[in-house]
Amino acid sequence: DVKVTQSSRYLVKRTGEKVFLECVQDMDHENMFWYRQDPGLGLRLIYFSYDVKMKEKGDIPEGYSVSREKKERFSLILESASTNQTSMYLCASSLNPPDTQYFGPGTRLTVL
Amino acid sequence: QKEVEQNSGPLSVPEGAIASLNCTYSDRGSQSFFWYRQYSGKSPELIMSIYSNGDKEDGRFTAQLNKASQYVSLLIRDSQPSDSATYLCAVCDRDDKIIFGKGTRLHILP
Repeated sequence: DVKVTQSSRYLVKRTGEKVFLECVQDMDHENMFWYRQDPGLGLRLIYFSYDVKMKEKGDIPEGYSVSREKKERFSLILESASTNQTSMYLCASSLNPPDTQYFGPGTRLTVL
Repeated sequence: QKEVEQNSGPLSVPEGAIASLNCTYSDRGSQSFFWYRQYSGKSPELIMSIYSNGDKEDGRFTAQLNKASQYVSLLIRDSQPSDSATYLCAVCDRDDKIIFGKGTRLHILP
């Protein structure tokens, strides 16, 4: 079974703080993804990575950066958190781009 | 802009009946199609994937794909209250990018 874990289920931060969200997968998947999910807007892709040290912008990369130093770990960084970044953040991984994506449990981030 | 469209619902179906969920997509070159179920407050989990035209059955679930009409559907037979969730359609386009629909909320009435 594929297991994707995320560092926190719930997180509360203050405006302007630097926030790190971490994702780890244990199935040697090449591809990893970060999404945010908001009511009425669905899943929106922030960044993705097809290989170690490689990253590609998704549909809404502004205000975010990512790091993939090891194959199993993909980190999302909010450089200076803002209230409009309050959301559910979901990490996913897949073996190949067209394959099934497996999701982590999600991190519900609140920025005050 | 490539799109995946779903009716947001809620779709209310009596327990024991067939629930029919529909999805259309804009990229005719799409090759892979997925249905995910998402319970409130939880992350999406894969129900079925389908790659070729026709029907694919797995237990109470049947996925149907019609590439000519750019249409994919999910049928749930003998609907149970535990099937109440949001169902996300996902399509892998010709550029190998997965695009998610916004989901259909399904409510099974006991």
